[in-house]
Amino acid sequence: DTAVSQTPKYLVTQMGNDKSIKCEQNLGHDTMYWYKQDSKKFLKIMFSYNNKELIINETVPNRFSPKSPDKAHLNLHINSLELGDSAVYFCASSSPDRGTEAFFGQGTRLTVV
Amino acid sequence: KQEVTQIPAALSVPEGENLVLNCSFTDSAIYNLQWFRQDPGKGLTSLLLIQSSQREQTSGRLNASLDKSSGRSTLYIAASQPGDSATYLCALGDSNYQLIWGAGTKLIIKP
Repeated sequence: DTAVSQTPKYLVTQMGNDKSIKCEQNLGHDTMYWYKQDSKKFLKIMFSYNNKELIINETVPNRFSPKSPDKAHLNLHINSLELGDSAVYFCASSSPDRGTEAFFGQGTRLTVV
Repeated sequence: KQEVTQIPAALSVPEGENLVLNCSFTDSAIYNLQWFRQDPGKGLTSLLLIQSSQREQTSGRLNASLDKSSGRSTLYIAASQPGDSATYLCALGDSNYQLIWGAGTKLIIKP
């Protein structure tokens, strides 16, 4: 019944590694997002995809790359991980119509050591 | 540039009290406003969604209002319970499909 699911829930890795976080939604939404929540609890958008097209790409390092194999999935790949990448990453989805409700995954807590 | 502020940052009240959480924003050109709840170590749960054309939305003991002209939204929680303890976040939907977030209000309901 989970609407938006992310895996893994926790990820601990060493600096310099490459890792991926997966996200899947079963709501039939066309738009999916990745948000980063920093230590001060601020959420900031990183990417959004609408019908497999990138429509927002905030000024995040190019070590971060979203990949959408289909409209139900938006995975986040991170290369050469750095200590500052430690945060909670949230996946979300919504319909393409502006003003619709966004649904979030449970978050992935990434810790880079 | 849209800025969202939530005051207070933390609030502690005895069980049973009614309370109001505040969210203010600087640009009234919004598509919607959502209130979320975040429990420690857990994800975000959507509580209420108010469209820009609406004034309020209700769900159970929760009532959210929206006044675009003054740049304010409130979340009213009636008859608070310890289970209501969480961080409450408001987020504004803009024309780029993205949500602009406040920093949240950490609510503690004391039994």
